[in-house]
Amino acid sequence: DQQVKQNSPSLSVQEGRISILNCDYTNSMFDYFLWYKKYPAEGPTFLISISSIKDKNEDGRFTVFLNKSAKHLSLHIVPSQPGDSAVYFCAASAGGNQFYFGTGTSLTVIP
Amino acid sequence: SQTIHQWPATLVQPVGSPLSLECTVEGTSNPNLYWYRQAAGRGLQLLFYSVGIGQISSEVPQNLSASRPQDRQFILSSKKLLLSDSGFYLCAWSYRGHQPQHFGDGTRLSIL
Repeated sequence: DQQVKQNSPSLSVQEGRISILNCDYTNSMFDYFLWYKKYPAEGPTFLISISSIKDKNEDGRFTVFLNKSAKHLSLHIVPSQPGDSAVYFCAASAGGNQFYFGTGTSLTVIP
Repeated sequence: SQTIHQWPATLVQPVGSPLSLECTVEGTSNPNLYWYRQAAGRGLQLLFYSVGIGQISSEVPQNLSASRPQDRQFILSSKKLLLSDSGFYLCAWSYRGHQPQHFGDGTRLSIL
């Protein structure tokens, strides 16, 4: 039973444009959400997180938006760069001990 | 600073053989520790997590087991590997509460 879903397995964006990656969840008890970036044959690297008390968190080119009523979060990357090409995972937690991951979206930024 | 070490990086094992993957964390005390598996084309599946020495929670019933013999050491084991155990195994640590996880570089396990 997949509690965190990323319905787009891949996304291609031109360099300099905005990349929007989406994630949906089903468990209303989730109160902490994260995005990770992963290159092949490496472990995921933490990018940005958001607590359920906020609806937006920004860190440089990365912004995460949370819509609790829709149980939806998104990651915006502006402007997109070729080095952003990777697989992006969203994750969620209820309380901080167990984390549930989506299946990932492979982002390709075209120069 | 904190670092996480996971080894080996790749492993090829025959069906029915035992398994032991080790993960250690440096630079922090009493971390939460996790084992994940990423099967081909799939997301990250939480296998085990631990909040302290000897405390293991299992998320998925299977022929794998985990142990935490020391505060910063987490071991993933199997007595007899199955073909379906192939995948990319990741160890991670985090502080308590709403804190991100930090991952090792993973072990690519192939079962023949």
